[in-house]
Amino acid sequence: EVQLLESGGGLVQPGGSLRLSCAASGFTFSSYAMSWVRQAPGKGLEWVSAISGSGGTTYYADSVKGRFTISRDNSKNMLYLQMSSLRAEDTAVYYCAKGGVTTPIDYWGQGTLVTVSA
Amino acid sequence: QPVLTQSSSASASLGSSVKLTCTLSSGHSDYIIAWHQQQPGKAPRYLMKLEGSGSYLKGSGVPDRFSGSSSGADRYLTISNLQFEDEADYYCETWDSNFVVFGGGTKLTVL
Repeated sequence: EVQLLESGGGLVQPGGSLRLSCAASGFTFSSYAMSWVRQAPGKGLEWVSAISGSGGTTYYADSVKGRFTISRDNSKNMLYLQMSSLRAEDTAVYYCAKGGVTTPIDYWGQGTLVTVSA
Repeated sequence: QPVLTQSSSASASLGSSVKLTCTLSSGHSDYIIAWHQQQPGKAPRYLMKLEGSGSYLKGSGVPDRFSGSSSGADRYLTISNLQFEDEADYYCETWDSNFVVFGGGTKLTVL
């Protein structure tokens, strides 16, 4: 059974940083691209970033390019999102997802809430 | 990159059928999409991958009541024998070599 478990969300001040983690299990992690997708309160889904199975290629939405960094550790089956220069508009539930860019997203984590506020 | 357009809301009666539409922008009518369901307060759930030919492949555990079809730039999700638990937001997704795009979502109300 595929499981994706996010952690690391919380309250952070504007301009601050936060690192999200996602623990994956139930599939061959290194064989699949992974994505982060966010959902602001009361809004729709917004793709944030993706990374290839090897970790060698990364992709970003224009809204986060230069501020967020996606990475993965295939030896630990872990996905990460390092977020810096955070803004109020980054407030959202952040979902870890299996797939993206080369294949559809076919599994979702439960999400972790990031609140950017003074 | 493509834009996905969805109606903001839809409604149908318990036990009836409903057909939700996701429209690909001009020049992108051959793109494959995916449908996702998000019940209130829950994480999204993958429903199916849908090709321009109308061929679809459902995710694990998705009921037979859910099916997909296509016509030109339009991708459809049909839900038959509607149940109250089908009341949810439905999003379409597409992707290419360096991006992922979601439609704005359709809020389905079961009457």
